[in-house]
Amino acid sequence: KAGVTQTPRYLIKTRGQQVTLSCSPISGHRSVSWYQQTPGQGLQFLFEYFSETQRNKGNFPGRFSGRQFSNSRSEMNVSTLELGDSALYLCASSLGQNQPQHFGDGTRLSIL
Amino acid sequence: GESVGLHLPTLSVQEGDNSIINCAYSNSASDYFIWYKQESGKGPQFIIDIRSNMDKRQGQRVTVLLNKTVKHLSLQIAATQPGDSAVYFCAALTGGGNKLTFGTGTQLKVEL
Repeated sequence: KAGVTQTPRYLIKTRGQQVTLSCSPISGHRSVSWYQQTPGQGLQFLFEYFSETQRNKGNFPGRFSGRQFSNSRSEMNVSTLELGDSALYLCASSLGQNQPQHFGDGTRLSIL
Repeated sequence: GESVGLHLPTLSVQEGDNSIINCAYSNSASDYFIWYKQESGKGPQFIIDIRSNMDKRQGQRVTVLLNKTVKHLSLQIAATQPGDSAVYFCAALTGGGNKLTFGTGTQLKVEL
């Protein structure tokens, strides 16, 4: 069974640009969550989607947004990029609530 | 809210010894806990989970213990191997949805 796939693996952008990251969950998983990982703040929850609806949102500014498609694939978008947005962005999928979340290997975003 | 912390940033053990990684959480309403292993350049890998109605769960070479009285969680790895070298995170789920709150991580180093 294929795991969670995130594309692209690496991305370099400049301040002010926007970026879209993609996540394909494990087949059959309907919940997709996004996390940001930085050396200073660790792993922080961004948001969760289930059946195309945002179910939970973390404490991030409105520049961070996401969506989920009918096939459970998800995208997250960051607009007006700032230097502090440089991080590893991780996607996790699960069958549902209180079920193991399985992570992809992330997208490494660098802002110049 | 919830906060999760690990007791030691680094743990060094000899190959073949048992490892114990500890974690504390703050919210007594947390009802689901997961341990993850993260190797360099990869996303967190699911190791084992435990629900709040249990106090012990065993997997292959790993055991998780949950003490709800003192809000403490531990991961025991038997016969530690070089391949176990990684950063280990505990994560807690509180309330509805799939928002995981992560600890800061413990770097496990296995010495030959």
